[in-house]
Amino acid sequence: DAKTTQPNSMESNEEEPVHLPCNHSTISGTDYIHWYRQLPSQGPEYVIHGLTSNVNNRMASLAIAEDRKSSTLILHRATLRDAAVYYCIQGTDTGNQFYFGTGTSLTVIP
Amino acid sequence: EAGVTQFPSHSVIEKGQTVTLRCDPISGHDNLYWYRRVMGKEIKFLLHFVKESKQDESGMPNNRFLAERTGGTYSTLKVQPAELEDSGVYFCASSHLPPREKLFFGSGTQLSVL
Repeated sequence: DAKTTQPNSMESNEEEPVHLPCNHSTISGTDYIHWYRQLPSQGPEYVIHGLTSNVNNRMASLAIAEDRKSSTLILHRATLRDAAVYYCIQGTDTGNQFYFGTGTSLTVIP
Repeated sequence: EAGVTQFPSHSVIEKGQTVTLRCDPISGHDNLYWYRRVMGKEIKFLLHFVKESKQDESGMPNNRFLAERTGGTYSTLKVQPAELEDSGVYFCASSHLPPREKLFFGSGTQLSVL
């Protein structure tokens, strides 16, 4: 069974913010939270990762709950190119194993 | 700079046959990983190489799967004999730093066992 749970699908209007939720209630204190996305016929692509503090990069922001049992990936302005399956992943401290969730399929409406 | 490349992109074989998947990581990446997604399931870890050594192979499903990484460069994943439940997409990934930083994935090999 997946260690993270995500909604199967979400929709967003183009140029509006998108908040993609993830629950990881069994996360340990040293596990990282990663987000990757997958476009059709491609492998997963790195989006962002974090441990405890909220994180920002040019692609997105990651908001991590204080108890670390959930997180939210924030796309500030969705574009059509952001349509993909977004995976929330629990990563071990050693970094050698990623536990993928089932992913959220994001549809961006023009 | 070339990304992670996997070959073949698709493979269709019959039950009982042997298939070998290849992965070329990004040059200079010591860490190489195999993951797979079988029908209806999430993507799951298979194993991890550091250079030519197997660091963790706890995700390998059974002894029909054999992974090698010659000279710490490219890697192969052999399935012998293939079974129906082996069908799925096999992803390879590599990283320079420990993967809590970033993992680079290939496009995957779609394996169909008939």
